[in-house]
Amino acid sequence: QVHLVQSGSELKKPGASVKVSCKASGYTFTNYAMNWVRQAPGQGLEWMGWINTNTRNPTYAQGFTGRLVFSLDTSVSTAYLQISSLKAEDTAVYYCVRGMLGYYYKGLEVWGQGTTVTVSS
Amino acid sequence: QSALTQPPSASGSPGQSVTISCTGTSSDVGGYDFVSWYQQHPGKAPKLMIYEVSKRPSGVSDRFSGSKSGNTASLTVSGLQAEDEADYYCSSYAGSNSLTFGGGTKLTVL
Repeated sequence: QVHLVQSGSELKKPGASVKVSCKASGYTFTNYAMNWVRQAPGQGLEWMGWINTNTRNPTYAQGFTGRLVFSLDTSVSTAYLQISSLKAEDTAVYYCVRGMLGYYYKGLEVWGQGTTVTVSS
Repeated sequence: QSALTQPPSASGSPGQSVTISCTGTSSDVGGYDFVSWYQQHPGKAPKLMIYEVSKRPSGVSDRFSGSKSGNTASLTVSGLQAEDEADYYCSSYAGSNSLTFGGGTKLTVL
């Protein structure tokens, strides 16, 4: 069975950094793209970008470049999202999402359970 | 502001059909057949319901169907059931290696 299990909730101060992990199981990790999506409290979904798990090449959505880093540890089938210089408006639930086989934009097929990041002084 | 426009709410009685629209431009919805729909219950992760405009992933009820005309995509839920009450989001490939979401529609089963 395919699963994405994310790390636990985080409470950070403004200006700090956070690293969220996403461990995949039940499939060949490098055969599928990994996307990151966030959802601020009471708001809609926002695509943050994706990483090619084969080439390790990341693509960041407009508005996110500069503060985000997508990374991988393929030896343990885990993807990471790091956000630096956190602001209050980064408070959200962050999801890792596996794409469908083929193009990452065919559909966001398998979702992690979400990681809540709260930024507050 | 979301790139794709969805009505904030929709409703229907059990057994009825309801259609949710998702309007974009020729640079996203109208330009590619990569529209997908997601269902999200409160406090849960979203679930893929439709991909590539009208295809259903394995395990998704055939009461859910998708279509597209020009720059507007639609999700139709037929034979409404109480468990269909949720938020629904559309998404489209928007070119230049990017995805965009709609603002979401809250579906209420009366």
